Amino acid sequence: DTGVSQDPRHKITKRGQNVTFRCDPISEHNRLYWYRQTLGQGPEFLTYFQNEAQLEKSRLLSDRFSAERPKGSFSTLEIQRTEQGDSAMYLCASSLFRGADTEAFFGQGTRLTVV
Amino acid sequence: LAKTTQPISMDSYEGQEVNITCSHNNIATNDYITWYQQFPSQGPRFIIQGYKTKVTNEVASLFIPADRKSSTLSLPRVSLSDTAVYYCLVGSSSGNTPLVFGKGTRLSVIA
Repeated sequence: DTGVSQDPRHKITKRGQNVTFRCDPISEHNRLYWYRQTLGQGPEFLTYFQNEAQLEKSRLLSDRFSAERPKGSFSTLEIQRTEQGDSAMYLCASSLFRGADTEAFFGQGTRLTVV
Repeated sequence: LAKTTQPISMDSYEGQEVNITCSHNNIATNDYITWYQQFPSQGPRFIIQGYKTKVTNEVASLFIPADRKSSTLSLPRVSLSDTAVYYCLVGSSSGNTPLVFGKGTRLSVIA
């Protein structure tokens, strides 16, 4: 399977714990996006990378959230001191940017439940 | 980045053509329009992308009038499996802005 892969698919954690999610994009894709989605809402932009450079981080994003893409391949999203409001589906997408955005491919997502 | 406005929901019977219109009054000269489809518990999936006039692929058509202040996604002869949320996005061809999703249009296809 050469699609976007996210791990884990589901995560249940206690409030206050830290969690880390991983995204493996399609191999030749240089752009990688993270989104958060809650029920009935569209995906909310969190941050995105071009290769290893983080281009933008949502101003709505708390300092508890951090993302990395150390070698321009896979990416991790960490949430520190989780809160119940962090419960959501976390989606990763990748695309090949060559002067203009092409089709973005999404993973199946990681569903986070904070109890 | 141009803000988009779509109907919250639409209903259609199987076999009908469905047209979903998206308004993007502040679209810039170099912006393009992209539509995604999302089924429950799955990530969005690219449907179609265009800049002006008409684009057609195997699943949909995209109509963009000359002023480009709106666009219409046309789904021919929908089936129950087309029940999903459809998102209209406006992206910059400079690539210096991320893909931003709105609330989308929830299409329900009825037998």
